[in-house]
Amino acid sequence: QVQLVESGGGVVQPGRSLRLSCEGSGFPFSNYGMNWVRQAPAKGLEWLARIGHDGALEVYPESVKGRFTVSRDNSRNTLYFQMNSLTFEDTGVYYCARDIWNDGTYYFDYWGPGTLVTVSS
Amino acid sequence: SYELPQPLSVSVALGQTATITCGGNNIGSKSVHWYQQKPGQAPVLVIYTNSNRPSGVPERFSGSNWGNTATLTISRAQAGDEADYYCQVWDSRTAFGGGTKLTVL
Repeated sequence: QVQLVESGGGVVQPGRSLRLSCEGSGFPFSNYGMNWVRQAPAKGLEWLARIGHDGALEVYPESVKGRFTVSRDNSRNTLYFQMNSLTFEDTGVYYCARDIWNDGTYYFDYWGPGTLVTVSS
Repeated sequence: SYELPQPLSVSVALGQTATITCGGNNIGSKSVHWYQQKPGQAPVLVIYTNSNRPSGVPERFSGSNWGNTATLTISRAQAGDEADYYCQVWDSRTAFGGGTKLTVL
């Protein structure tokens, strides 16, 4: 069965960096686009990045462009998320999600359980 | 980014029909997807491309999209349907609605 498992979360000081990982299994990882989505405490979902199946295309919202970077290693079935210059507002649960392209749109059919990032001094 | 206003909360009596809306300028021209999120859990896709149900999602869940409003309808609401519901579209970037908390009374 399809599984996505995030790791790398934890407590980090403001201004520091953190790299998250997401390992996929149960499906041909290299065939799918992948995304990172964040949820701040008691808040809604915020999409942070998408990377194409072969890593050739990255897309970000303007709010994180230049500070966060998504990448992938298909030989390891792993998605990465490099986060720099972290602030208190970056605290939250970070999910990776597989996407499906259908009829001119993307949606997320599988999600990992999430990893918690806490930015604290 | 594309704005997707949702009501903060919706209440429904047990066994009745709940309607959750997702607004947006001419949202009817886009494909809308819906996710259910229970406390402490990851979101789960319940409707994709306006009105399609993934395998395993009960037929009680349905969706529509027309004009400036997309709608998620939950018929014969059960206690287990209590959750936050988010709409999502792709408009060169992914956008989520703010989420609606469904309470089953």
